[in-house]
Amino acid sequence: EVQLVESGGDLVQPGGSLRLSCVVSGFTFRNYPMSWVRQAPGKGLEWVSAISVSGDNTFYPDSVKGRFTISRDNSQSTLYLQMTNLRAEDTAVYYCAKYRREFDYWGQGTLVAVSS
Amino acid sequence: DIVMTQTPLSSPVTLGQPASISCRSSQSLVHSDGNTYLSWLQQRPGQPPRLLIYEISNRFSGVPDRFSGSGAGTEFTLKISRVEAEDVGVYYCMQGTQFPLTFGGGTKVEIK
Repeated sequence: EVQLVESGGDLVQPGGSLRLSCVVSGFTFRNYPMSWVRQAPGKGLEWVSAISVSGDNTFYPDSVKGRFTISRDNSQSTLYLQMTNLRAEDTAVYYCAKYRREFDYWGQGTLVAVSS
Repeated sequence: DIVMTQTPLSSPVTLGQPASISCRSSQSLVHSDGNTYLSWLQQRPGQPPRLLIYEISNRFSGVPDRFSGSGAGTEFTLKISRVEAEDVGVYYCMQGTQFPLTFGGGTKVEIK
């Protein structure tokens, strides 16, 4: 059974930092690109980052470029998202997702709240 | 960036009746490899999204055959042949042809 389990969400002040983790099981993690997608309260889905199988290539939308860093540890089947200089508009549930050219498996999400 | 536009925003449907959702992209989703990376996701209340359809018309593992996808280029459709109570939720189209990856705004399917 494929499982993706996110952790690390928290309440953080504007300008603060946070690192999210996603532990994967049920498929060969090192063989697949991965991604983070977020969903603000009551809103739609927004893609946040993607990473190649080796981790050498990373991709971001302009809304988080320069502030967020995606990485992976293939030996631990774990995906990470380092978030810095957080803003109120980053408040959302953050999902990790297995990515080919679509998101075929998703975690349950972890909530990040940015507020003073 | 490719903008994905879904209609309608909301679709009240009678149980057992069909439902249809449209998705339009601001530019062609045909990739240089010849494939079209348009997918559909379902998000039930309180749940993470779930992949239904990939590459326009391929049902993902475990997806009932009452769900079907069609279209080409910039115009795509998701159809539910006979809506069941468990189909209530928000449906999103998504393009994976080029970065940044983008989603439609969502269509809420609810029972009349």
